[in-house]
Amino acid sequence: EVQLVQSGAEVKKPGESLKISCRGSGYSFANYWIAWVRQMPGKGLEWLGMIYPGDSDTRYNPSFQGQVSISADKSIYTAHLQWSSLKASDTAIYYCTRRLEWEVLDYWGQGTQVTVS
Amino acid sequence: QSVLTQPPSASGTPGQRVTMSCSGRTSNIGFNSVKWYQQLPGTAPKLLMYNNNQRPSGVPDRFAGSKSGTSASLAISGLQSEDEADYYCSVWDDSLEAVIFGGGTKLTVL
Repeated sequence: EVQLVQSGAEVKKPGESLKISCRGSGYSFANYWIAWVRQMPGKGLEWLGMIYPGDSDTRYNPSFQGQVSISADKSIYTAHLQWSSLKASDTAIYYCTRRLEWEVLDYWGQGTQVTVS
Repeated sequence: QSVLTQPPSASGTPGQRVTMSCSGRTSNIGFNSVKWYQQLPGTAPKLLMYNNNQRPSGVPDRFAGSKSGTSASLAISGLQSEDEADYYCSVWDDSLEAVIFGGGTKLTVL
């Protein structure tokens, strides 16, 4: 069974750094892109970018380039989303999701709540 | 304001058929396939439709997708209470070079 399990909720102060994780299981983790999607409180979905764990090829949504950093370690089947200096506007739920061809996002993690206050 | 436009709300009674639209541009829906995601309250989104009108395994055939030109739509027939959720359309945008989502349609089953 394909599963994406994300790290737990985080409460941080503005200016702090943060790295959240997403561990894949039940499939060949290195061979599928992992995408990250943001959902701000009461709002819709926004695609941040994606990474191919096999070679760490990374693509960012130009709207979020420089605001977040995406990485992966295929040896531990884990992708990460990272901030160097959080802002209150980063408060949101962040989902990792497996990407198939043609940008189909077929499996989703349970989400990580990030609160910056 | 989303590049993909969805009506903010839709409603229907059990057993009814409801449709919801997703309007875009040549650079997104015009050239690329549309996906739909269902987000039940308090849960992660779930893939509902891909390649405009293909249902993943496990999605009932009460759900149907279509696309014409720069618009797409999702139809739900035989509406059930458990269909109450937010529905998002999604597509790759060639100009923005990013996956984009519509603002979502909140479906209420009366």
